[in-house]
Amino acid sequence: DTAVSQTPKYLVTQMGNDKSIKCEQNLGHDTMYWYKQDSKKFLKIMFSYNNKELIINETVPNRFSPKSPDKAHLNLHINSLELGDSAVYFCASSQARGSNQPQHFGDGTRLSIL
Amino acid sequence: DAKTTQPPSMDCAEGRAANLPCNHSTISGNEYVYWYRQIHSQGPQYIIHGLKNNETNEMASLIITEDRKSSTLILPHATLRDTAVYYCIVSASNSKLTFGKGITLSVRP
Repeated sequence: DTAVSQTPKYLVTQMGNDKSIKCEQNLGHDTMYWYKQDSKKFLKIMFSYNNKELIINETVPNRFSPKSPDKAHLNLHINSLELGDSAVYFCASSQARGSNQPQHFGDGTRLSIL
Repeated sequence: DAKTTQPPSMDCAEGRAANLPCNHSTISGNEYVYWYRQIHSQGPQYIIHGLKNNETNEMASLIITEDRKSSTLILPHATLRDTAVYYCIVSASNSKLTFGKGITLSVRP
Protein backbone atom coordinates (compact mmCIF):
# COMPACT_ATOMS: atom_id res chain seq x y z
CA ASP A 1 0.00 0.00 0.00
CA THR A 2 1.27 3.44 -0.91
CA ALA A 3 1.85 5.49 2.25
CA VAL A 4 1.31 8.95 0.73
CA SER A 5 -0.64 8.97 -2.50
CA GLN A 6 -1.40 11.91 -4.77
CA THR A 7 -3.82 12.18 -7.65
CA PRO A 8 -3.52 12.91 -10.45
CA LYS A 9 0.09 12.14 -11.27
CA TYR A 10 -0.01 14.37 -14.34
CA LEU A 11 -2.21 17.41 -14.93
CA VAL A 12 -2.17 19.43 -18.14
CA THR A 13 -4.57 22.33 -18.37
CA GLN A 14 -5.15 25.76 -19.82
CA MET A 15 -4.25 29.04 -18.21
CA GLY A 16 -7.16 30.49 -16.24
CA ASN A 17 -8.68 27.14 -15.28
CA ASP A 18 -9.31 25.93 -11.74
CA LYS A 19 -7.92 22.55 -10.69
CA SER A 20 -7.50 20.40 -7.60
CA ILE A 21 -4.86 17.92 -6.49
CA LYS A 22 -5.71 15.32 -3.89
CA CYS A 23 -3.48 13.76 -1.25
CA GLU A 24 -4.12 10.92 1.15
CA GLN A 25 -1.87 9.27 3.73
CA ASN A 26 -2.47 5.95 5.45
CA LEU A 27 0.31 6.29 8.01
CA GLY A 28 -1.85 7.67 10.78
CA HIS A 29 0.16 10.89 10.79
CA ASP A 30 -1.16 14.12 12.30
CA THR A 31 0.58 16.59 10.01
CA MET A 32 0.45 17.02 6.25
CA TYR A 33 2.28 19.35 3.87
CA TRP A 34 2.29 20.69 0.35
CA TYR A 35 5.58 21.51 -1.41
CA LYS A 36 6.27 23.02 -4.81
CA GLN A 37 9.31 22.08 -6.90
CA ASP A 38 9.92 24.47 -9.77
CA SER A 39 11.87 24.03 -12.99
CA LYS A 40 15.12 24.86 -11.19
CA LYS A 41 14.43 21.94 -8.86
CA PHE A 42 14.13 24.01 -5.70
CA LEU A 43 11.71 22.36 -3.29
CA LYS A 44 9.76 24.84 -1.17
CA ILE A 45 7.10 24.32 1.44
CA MET A 46 3.75 25.94 0.75
CA PHE A 47 1.40 24.80 3.51
CA SER A 48 1.25 22.58 6.55
CA TYR A 49 -1.81 21.26 8.38
CA ASN A 50 -1.87 19.63 11.79
CA ASN A 51 -5.07 17.77 12.66
CA LYS A 52 -6.97 19.74 10.01
CA GLU A 53 -5.64 23.07 11.29
CA LEU A 54 -3.43 25.29 9.13
CA ILE A 55 -0.09 25.86 10.86
CA ILE A 56 2.28 26.94 8.08
CA ASN A 57 1.34 29.22 5.21
CA GLU A 58 4.37 30.43 3.34
CA THR A 59 4.15 33.30 0.90
CA VAL A 60 1.75 31.68 -1.50
CA PRO A 61 -0.80 33.52 -3.68
CA ASN A 62 -4.32 33.23 -2.34
CA ARG A 63 -5.28 31.46 -5.56
CA PHE A 64 -3.92 28.41 -3.76
CA SER A 65 -6.29 27.07 -1.12
CA PRO A 66 -5.55 23.91 0.84
CA LYS A 67 -8.40 21.96 2.37
CA SER A 68 -8.17 19.20 4.95
CA PRO A 69 -11.46 17.30 5.40
CA ASP A 70 -9.79 14.98 7.92
CA LYS A 71 -6.26 14.40 9.11
CA ALA A 72 -5.61 11.73 6.47
CA HIS A 73 -6.37 14.05 3.55
CA LEU A 74 -4.96 17.37 2.39
CA ASN A 75 -6.18 18.63 -0.97
CA LEU A 76 -4.86 21.61 -2.90
CA HIS A 77 -7.18 23.73 -4.99
CA ILE A 78 -5.74 26.25 -7.41
CA ASN A 79 -7.85 29.00 -8.99
CA SER A 80 -7.09 30.93 -12.16
CA LEU A 81 -4.02 28.94 -13.08
CA GLU A 82 -1.04 30.88 -14.42
CA LEU A 83 1.97 29.81 -16.48
CA GLY A 84 4.20 30.18 -13.42
CA ASP A 85 2.20 27.54 -11.60
CA SER A 86 3.77 24.87 -13.79
CA ALA A 87 5.76 22.73 -11.39
CA VAL A 88 5.77 19.45 -9.53
CA TYR A 89 3.68 19.53 -6.36
CA PHE A 90 4.54 17.12 -3.58
CA CYS A 91 2.41 16.13 -0.63
CA ALA A 92 4.04 14.86 2.57
CA SER A 93 3.05 13.76 6.05
CA SER A 94 4.69 13.28 9.41
CA GLN A 95 3.93 12.42 13.00
CA ALA A 96 3.22 15.11 15.55
CA ARG A 97 4.41 18.56 14.68
CA GLY A 98 7.51 19.57 16.58
CA SER A 99 8.80 16.03 16.89
CA ASN A 100 11.92 14.90 15.11
CA GLN A 101 10.20 12.20 13.11
CA PRO A 102 10.75 12.36 9.35
CA GLN A 103 8.37 13.48 6.65
CA HIS A 104 7.15 10.96 4.09
CA PHE A 105 6.54 12.22 0.57
CA GLY A 106 4.24 11.24 -2.25
CA ASP A 107 5.48 10.83 -5.81
CA GLY A 108 4.31 14.24 -6.94
CA THR A 109 1.79 15.78 -9.33
CA ARG A 110 3.28 17.26 -12.47
CA LEU A 111 1.23 20.32 -13.38
CA SER A 112 1.70 21.85 -16.82
CA ILE A 113 -0.09 25.03 -17.82
CA LEU A 114 -0.58 25.66 -21.52
CA ASP B 1 17.03 27.11 11.02
CA ALA B 2 20.75 26.84 10.38
CA LYS B 3 21.99 26.83 6.81
CA THR B 4 23.82 23.89 5.27
CA THR B 5 26.53 23.83 2.63
CA GLN B 6 27.10 20.86 0.33
CA PRO B 7 29.33 20.39 -2.72
CA PRO B 8 27.25 20.47 -5.90
CA SER B 9 28.19 17.00 -7.07
CA MET B 10 30.32 13.95 -6.58
CA ASP B 11 30.64 10.48 -8.00
CA CYS B 12 31.73 7.10 -6.80
CA ALA B 13 32.18 3.62 -8.19
CA GLU B 14 29.49 1.02 -7.77
CA GLY B 15 30.15 -1.15 -4.74
CA ARG B 16 32.32 1.41 -3.02
CA ALA B 17 31.36 3.59 -0.09
CA ALA B 18 29.93 7.01 -0.90
CA ASN B 19 30.79 9.68 1.67
CA LEU B 20 28.64 12.79 1.30
CA PRO B 21 29.81 15.80 3.34
CA CYS B 22 27.70 18.60 4.79
CA ASN B 23 28.71 21.75 6.66
CA HIS B 24 26.34 23.33 9.19
CA SER B 25 28.59 25.57 11.24
CA THR B 26 25.72 27.65 12.69
CA ILE B 27 23.71 24.70 13.97
CA SER B 28 21.92 25.24 17.29
CA GLY B 29 21.85 22.81 20.17
CA ASN B 30 18.29 21.69 19.54
CA GLU B 31 18.60 21.25 15.78
CA TYR B 32 18.70 17.84 14.15
CA VAL B 33 20.57 16.91 11.00
CA TYR B 34 18.29 15.24 8.44
CA TRP B 35 19.25 13.60 5.18
CA TYR B 36 16.81 13.05 2.33
CA ARG B 37 17.39 12.05 -1.25
CA GLN B 38 15.42 12.54 -4.44
CA ILE B 39 15.77 10.04 -7.22
CA HIS B 40 14.82 11.42 -10.62
CA SER B 41 11.07 11.99 -11.00
CA GLN B 42 10.26 10.70 -7.52
CA GLY B 43 9.36 12.37 -4.24
CA PRO B 44 12.04 13.00 -1.62
CA GLN B 45 12.89 9.95 0.44
CA TYR B 46 13.94 10.10 4.08
CA ILE B 47 17.30 8.46 4.77
CA ILE B 48 18.42 9.17 8.32
CA HIS B 49 18.61 11.85 11.00
CA GLY B 50 20.57 12.52 14.17
CA LEU B 51 21.20 15.04 16.90
CA LYS B 52 24.62 14.36 18.42
CA ASN B 53 25.44 10.69 18.20
CA ASN B 54 26.32 8.78 15.08
CA GLU B 55 23.37 6.91 13.63
CA THR B 56 23.04 3.85 11.42
CA ASN B 57 20.08 2.24 9.73
CA GLU B 58 19.52 -0.14 6.86
CA MET B 59 20.15 2.58 4.29
CA ALA B 60 23.10 4.57 5.58
CA SER B 61 25.24 5.83 8.43
CA LEU B 62 25.37 9.39 9.69
CA ILE B 63 28.56 10.65 11.27
CA ILE B 64 28.26 13.95 13.14
CA THR B 65 31.41 15.70 14.33
CA GLU B 66 31.78 16.34 18.04
CA ASP B 67 31.27 20.10 17.60
CA ARG B 68 28.24 19.30 15.38
CA LYS B 69 29.40 21.76 12.74
CA SER B 70 29.57 19.16 10.01
CA SER B 71 28.36 15.69 9.18
CA THR B 72 28.90 12.93 6.66
CA LEU B 73 26.35 10.60 5.16
CA ILE B 74 27.85 7.24 4.30
CA LEU B 75 26.30 4.82 1.83
CA PRO B 76 28.43 1.76 2.55
CA HIS B 77 28.07 -0.04 -0.78
CA ALA B 78 26.73 2.33 -3.43
CA THR B 79 24.64 0.92 -6.25
CA LEU B 80 23.46 2.48 -9.49
CA ARG B 81 20.06 3.00 -7.86
CA ASP B 82 21.67 5.33 -5.31
CA THR B 83 22.22 7.93 -8.04
CA ALA B 84 20.16 10.87 -6.78
CA VAL B 85 20.24 14.36 -5.29
CA TYR B 86 20.99 14.17 -1.56
CA TYR B 87 19.80 16.92 0.75
CA CYS B 88 21.32 17.73 4.12
CA ILE B 89 18.85 19.72 6.24
CA VAL B 90 19.18 21.16 9.72
CA SER B 91 16.01 21.82 11.67
CA ALA B 92 14.71 21.90 15.22
CA SER B 93 11.37 20.63 14.08
CA ASN B 94 10.28 18.06 11.57
CA SER B 95 7.56 20.43 10.42
CA LYS B 96 9.86 23.02 8.88
CA LEU B 97 12.33 21.48 6.45
CA THR B 98 14.17 23.84 4.12
CA PHE B 99 15.59 22.05 1.10
CA GLY B 100 18.69 23.57 -0.51
CA LYS B 101 20.31 22.58 -3.77
CA GLY B 102 21.65 19.31 -2.39
CA ILE B 103 24.50 17.27 -3.78
CA THR B 104 24.10 15.20 -6.92
CA LEU B 105 25.62 11.77 -6.43
CA SER B 106 26.42 9.82 -9.56
CA VAL B 107 27.28 6.15 -9.10
CA ARG B 108 29.25 4.81 -12.03
CA PRO B 109 29.38 1.13 -13.06
